[in-house]
This record gives sequence, C-alpha cells and structure tokens, in this order.
Amino acid sequence: NAGVTQTPKFQVLKTGQSMTLQCAQDMNHEYMSWYRQDPGMGLRLIHYSVGAGITDQGEVPNGYNVSRSTTEDFPLRLLSAAPSQTSVYFCASSHAGGAGETQYFGPGTRLLVL
Amino acid sequence: GEDVEQSLFLSVREGDSSVINCTYTDSSSTYLYWYKQEPGAGLQLLTYIFSNMDMKQDQRLTVLLNKKDKHLSLRIADTQTGDSAIYFCAENLVGDSSYKLIFGSGTRLLVRP
Repeated sequence: NAGVTQTPKFQVLKTGQSMTLQCAQDMNHEYMSWYRQDPGMGLRLIHYSVGAGITDQGEVPNGYNVSRSTTEDFPLRLLSAAPSQTSVYFCASSHAGGAGETQYFGPGTRLLVL
Repeated sequence: GEDVEQSLFLSVREGDSSVINCTYTDSSSTYLYWYKQEPGAGLQLLTYIFSNMDMKQDQRLTVLLNKKDKHLSLRIADTQTGDSAIYFCAENLVGDSSYKLIFGSGTRLLVRP
C-alpha cells in the first residue's frame, strides 16, 4: 500500500490564482480530512469527509472547497489564493471516525502564496 | 475550551533520555496521541494512551499520564540522532470523531552527537 499520497509537494501561487491540492489513499478508508500547519502552531482542521459524497467544514474552512466523488480521492481547492493561505497542508485518512481511531497522514504540500 | 500546550524546544545528547511534556485542558475521557514529524515529512503516529491509563510503554517510548494535573509526557530512552524531529501531542475527545484532533504546537527535539 502507498498509504496517503499528496501532490504536489511544493507550489508557488500568485494572489488570486486557483489550484487544487490532490490527496489519495489506497486503504479503503471512509474518513478523510485536510489540515493546515502554520509555524508555531499545531495542525488545524479545514474540511473533512465521512464517505463518498459527504463533506463538512472543520475549524478553518474559509477560502477552501472540497469534494469527495470517490472513496480514494479528496481534493482541496483554493478558488482565489491569498497570502494568508501560505502554509503546509496535510491530508489524513482513517478507517472509521470514532475517537481513538488512528489517522494516517500524507507527506504534505507546502504552499507559498505571493 | 480545549487547548493543548507544549514546550517549543528540547536539546539532548545522544544516548541520554528525552522527556517531552504536554498539558491538556479538556474532559476526563479522551485519547492522547504522540506524533513525530521529520523534516519534509508528514506526521507519523508514535503511540497513544487513553485517559484511564497511567502509563504505556513501547520499546524505547514511555508515555506517562497524570490525570490530576492533565499532564502527558513522552520519554524516549537512549535518544538517537534519528529521533531529531518535531513531536506533537494531540487530543481526541471521546464523542468526537477521529479527525477532530486538537494539536499542540509541537516540540522540536534536537539530538546532539
């Protein structure tokens, strides 16, 4: 198993540009989520999905859209990038959604918005 | 509200023990995790403990939980240079979903040869 994969590893955008961060998992996990990691802070939840076709907002959803058309993929879209979205983005998945269920993290996408 | 706090930095000599500390503020029923993040990599789950436990040991790792003080620690025995990384403490409340993790800001561990 490849686990959780993310592309690209690094991206530079200009303010106002749009892009999609890709996330895929091959573990048949129902639950997937996106976090952002800013310097000196822990990870914060952006959006999550409890299964194909079902998504919901996390702690910091503004400026981001998600969709879940398949179990495997959970892309994160920035419609109009802003410098405040400069961050490292992590995708994660888990088999079930209960507390204590292990989350598996991807390697991250480092995004710089100029 | 929930808050998880960690010290920012720890430096130890190779072969010594490392102790990374974390405090949390929320309920009596929670899962507490330790994640390791190496440079340029994602988070790797090291170990976790449920709040009704006092201690958990896994090879070189020992997790101690002081429920009264809401204090969690991760001890790494015989610390190696490969242990240099950022260590995150995270809390997951029972009744919340697995993705609703509350992270500390991370402790950067530097192991000196």
